[in-house]
Amino acid sequence: DAGITQSPRHKVTETGTPVTLRCHQTENHRYMYWYRQDPGHGLRLIHYSYGVKDTDKGEVSDGYSVSRSKTEDFLLTLESATSSQTSVYFCAIRAGQVYGYTFGSGTRLTVV
Amino acid sequence: GQQVMQIPQYQHVQEGEDFTTYCNSSTTLSNIQWYKQRPGGHPVFLIQLVKSGEVKKQKRLTFQFGEAKKNSSLHITATQTTDVGTYFCAGVEGGSEKLVFGKGTKLTVNP
Repeated sequence: DAGITQSPRHKVTETGTPVTLRCHQTENHRYMYWYRQDPGHGLRLIHYSYGVKDTDKGEVSDGYSVSRSKTEDFLLTLESATSSQTSVYFCAIRAGQVYGYTFGSGTRLTVV
Repeated sequence: GQQVMQIPQYQHVQEGEDFTTYCNSSTTLSNIQWYKQRPGGHPVFLIQLVKSGEVKKQKRLTFQFGEAKKNSSLHITATQTTDVGTYFCAGVEGGSEKLVFGKGTKLTVNP
């Protein structure tokens, strides 16, 4: 969707290496989210942000950290990638509580 | 923690047949949202329901929110091949910022 982009779109990395995924929005929305999607598990929340420097954990936050130094960027970092973190990662933004989420196109991450 | 269950996991229909997916939460929700994800794509927001007993329609799609605000359903009348995809419900508990997704219902439509 217009207004939210994820980079990279695809990445292959080795076990033990750090990886950072970027989510960029041009909508100036307050809320940003990182989800991972795996077969049989649906979408699971990793971390979310409700403002610059304001972040909180989701249901599967172990092994992940996030940062939001600017309204438009929300970074997801895998400190030391493991094969269990092979997944499709989606970023989402939301204008407010009465609105739905707008998802980015996703990043397919493979950890070998 | 909050859990959202969705059934069925898969549904195969002939074009023209109706389709329904059901969503149940372990806790009372402040609102429930529905999303559609086409194969290889990303989830796309369809609708949000907020009020107890609420019913909303979008063309051939009918969405309901239960009286107790713990269950919801999506019904598609006379499916078309363009309806193919995975339909997710997602709920928010009162006071929470976290949207919890069901595992989705994958719909295939045979022409």
